[in-house]
Amino acid sequence: AQSVTQPDIHITVSEGASLELRCNYSYGATPYLFWYVQSPGQGLQLLLKYFSGDTLVQGIKGFEAEFKRSQSSFNLRKPSVHWSDAAEYFCAVRGGGADGLTFGKGTHLIIQP
Amino acid sequence: DAGITQSPRHKVTETGTPVTLRCHQTENHRYMYWYRQDPGHGLRLIHYSYGVKDTDKGEVSDGYSVSRSKTEDFLLTLESATSSQTSVYFCAISEYNRQGRGEQYFGPGTRLTVT
Repeated sequence: AQSVTQPDIHITVSEGASLELRCNYSYGATPYLFWYVQSPGQGLQLLLKYFSGDTLVQGIKGFEAEFKRSQSSFNLRKPSVHWSDAAEYFCAVRGGGADGLTFGKGTHLIIQP
Repeated sequence: DAGITQSPRHKVTETGTPVTLRCHQTENHRYMYWYRQDPGHGLRLIHYSYGVKDTDKGEVSDGYSVSRSKTEDFLLTLESATSSQTSVYFCAISEYNRQGRGEQYFGPGTRLTVT
């Protein structure tokens, strides 16, 4: 069975500083990987996705993520965070079929002024 | 934004009563999903549909049933609600290409409280 681990429940970053959110997955073959963001009281918005090819993928809002097969990781990065980036971030994995996504438990990002 | 609506957006109900949540899409996507979100658990798959009248169970399907009689609507029913089903419920839709690539888009959610 596939699984996703987000080791950090909470992360606090100063505005303007760089950000890295960690995600580790467990899946037997090449996975499809996703990062979603959820603002308070809102639904989930897709930030970026990885299917194959270039292991560094660009997403919306200035986010990027790097797929590292050897480490089973798909970490999310942003060079300079803004106060509006404060939200809950979820990493998710899916196999090649039409099954649903398996989500990590999320990382709550707090931005300090 | 993907054309996904959920109704109701908020509901309070009593233990033992039946509850039906509706997900409606205007994208004509084949695949639809129901998830629940609980603190400390992220989102977990309840049921999904891969076409009209075609559904399958997810990770946490006990106590839930689904139906899909039209492409655009996917209903989630709690036959007899329990307090453990207090949660936020999200619907998602997707299409996939021949390689199985595709992303899921989520609705705004329904907050259900069972007292």
